[in-house]
Amino acid sequence: DIQMTQSPSSLSASIGDRVTITCRASQSIGGYLNWYQQKPGNAPKLLVYAASLLQTGVPSRFSGSGSGTDFTLIISSLQPEDLGTYYCQQTYTSSLFTFGPGTKVDIK
Amino acid sequence: EVQLVQSGAEVKKPGESLRISCKGSGYIFTKHWISWVRQMPGKGLEWMGRIDPSDSYTKYSPSFQGHVTISVDKSINTTYMQWSSLKASDTAIYFCARCVAPRDFTRFDPWGQGTLVTVSS
Repeated sequence: DIQMTQSPSSLSASIGDRVTITCRASQSIGGYLNWYQQKPGNAPKLLVYAASLLQTGVPSRFSGSGSGTDFTLIISSLQPEDLGTYYCQQTYTSSLFTFGPGTKVDIK
Repeated sequence: EVQLVQSGAEVKKPGESLRISCKGSGYIFTKHWISWVRQMPGKGLEWMGRIDPSDSYTKYSPSFQGHVTISVDKSINTTYMQWSSLKASDTAIYFCARCVAPRDFTRFDPWGQGTLVTVSS
């Protein structure tokens, strides 16, 4: 099975800061990597798919990159509404989709 | 608007059975798989399994195989998750999600609002 890890597990940043979240797969998954944002009390929301493609309607301050085993989600200028938990997900194996453990983002 | 609407919160006792639902609208229901995802209190997301509404083919995570059953009634655009004998450890929020592009760069969009299942004696 493909295991996903994320770092950091949590972070606290100021408004306007650049925030970087990393995700690593236990084996190569090509570009089959998605990022989701979950705000407290809400369902997750798709931000980035295929490692770097921004979902329609998602602000351009979000960007994704990477391939193989190492991936990055960047928030270029943190906003108050970006508070929440961010999850990566591999969809390389259609028989077992796997999420990372999540990165909780707090506002300082 | 593409939407998934889930059934309401449930409170059950250990050993009881339960079926929760997820109704799709705003798209051709049989064109996209539906996945189910568990979120235990204060924890992360766990993929449980998926179903292809066109032929009812299901695939389960090994962690959930044999513990839950996913089914579909495509005549009413609805998928189901059911338990025959609940345990306290089944207490969680359960989300359904549409699998877009199921055979190429699959992603989950949109998600249902979640169904809280509480199992307590």
